[in-house]
Order: sequence, then C-alpha cells, then structure tokens
Amino acid sequence: SQELEQSPQSLIVQEGKNLTINCTSSKTLYGLYWYKQKYGEGLIFLMMLQKGGEEKSHEKITAKLDEKKQQSSLHITASQPSHAGIYLCGADPYSGGGADGLTFGKGTHLIIQP
Amino acid sequence: ETGVTQSPTHLIKTRGQQVTLRCSSQSGHNTVSWYQQALGQGPQFIFQYYREEENGRGNFPPRFSGLQFPNYSSELNVNALELDDSALYLCASSFEPMVAEQYFGPGTRLTVT
Repeated sequence: SQELEQSPQSLIVQEGKNLTINCTSSKTLYGLYWYKQKYGEGLIFLMMLQKGGEEKSHEKITAKLDEKKQQSSLHITASQPSHAGIYLCGADPYSGGGADGLTFGKGTHLIIQP
Repeated sequence: ETGVTQSPTHLIKTRGQQVTLRCSSQSGHNTVSWYQQALGQGPQFIFQYYREEENGRGNFPPRFSGLQFPNYSSELNVNALELDDSALYLCASSFEPMVAEQYFGPGTRLTVT
C-alpha cells in the first residue's frame, strides 16, 4: 500500500517569513493533492498535481511535483496568520482513481507567530 | 450553492453502542466518500458511495456500513462501537467518483467512552 510521509510534523514561523512543507511517497504518485485543515474541521482543497515537474500557484502558495513523481513540496511566501493550520498531502492510489479514496499523510501543523 | 453538511457536530457514545452519522452532499454531486481521522493522523478512507451503491472500500471491518439515498445524501453506521472508533468522521462529495473534485464537510466528532 502507498504511504505518504510529511515533513516537518510541525512548524512555527514568524509572520512574513517563507516556509516549505514536504511530502514523500513510497510509490509513484498518479495524483497528489494538497489540503488545508483548521483544527477539528473539514479539509479545504488547495491544489492537485499530476505531471512530473508540474508546478501550480494560488495566491502565495506554490506546490511542485518532482520529475520522478515521488515527492511534492508546498511553499508559502510571506506567511500570514491566515495560513495557520494543518496541511495534508493526499495521493490517488491509482491513475484515474476515485473509488479507492485518497491516502493521506499525517499532516504538518503550521503556526504563524506575529 | 449549498456545501457539504454533516450532522451531528459532536456525539458521545458508550462502547458497544451503535451510531449513525449523516452527510448531505453538495448540490449536483452524486458521489459521497467517508473518511475517519484519528487525533494527530491523516484521514483514512472508509468507503465511497456512487449512485446509491458502495463503489469502493478501505480497510475497515464490516461493522462500518453505509447508505446513500436517492437525493445522494449518505449515512455512516458503526455497530458495536470500540474506544478506537473515537475520531473525526469526514464526508466528501464529488460529481462522479473523481477524487480531485472532492468537497469535504466540517466533520462529526465522535467520542466513545
């Protein structure tokens, strides 16, 4: 079965600083999804990556998938208090999936210090 | 457009009891997936319902069962509750079983004592 490892487990960053969260898969990724979760709440979809070398950006968040499709990074530029939360990466276990759900990492807890 | 809603928000049950959690999918979505998220862990896939049929299942025992209704809302039933069932239960809806377009509800926090 596919496993996703996220690093770091937690991160405390001063407001305005940049940060990077990593997600490493034990198998080739057919689809890699980034979600954000406020503690005890539902997940908010951020981005999906499918192609090796793909990079997507939304506002101050950029996600990349490496060429070998086994590692993804999420980079936040000029962090703000609204960026605080738990960031989860999820993998689609099969190409064109859906019925098998997503496999998630354990999440990275991000705290923004004013 | 109405988002995904779940009820109840919180629930406390005793070991051995049965529980039913409810999910209303986003308007126009015919697929509902359920996930269990234990404290400090990522969500784990329980099962998916598509057009009222179970369409896929994760590694959960049969005492976890579900239903999907003609209006595409869904229920998650858990029998013979165990302490380890304490978790946040999330449902996600999508238009067809397309994982990329999943929209998650706020979750139901279940505590088993």
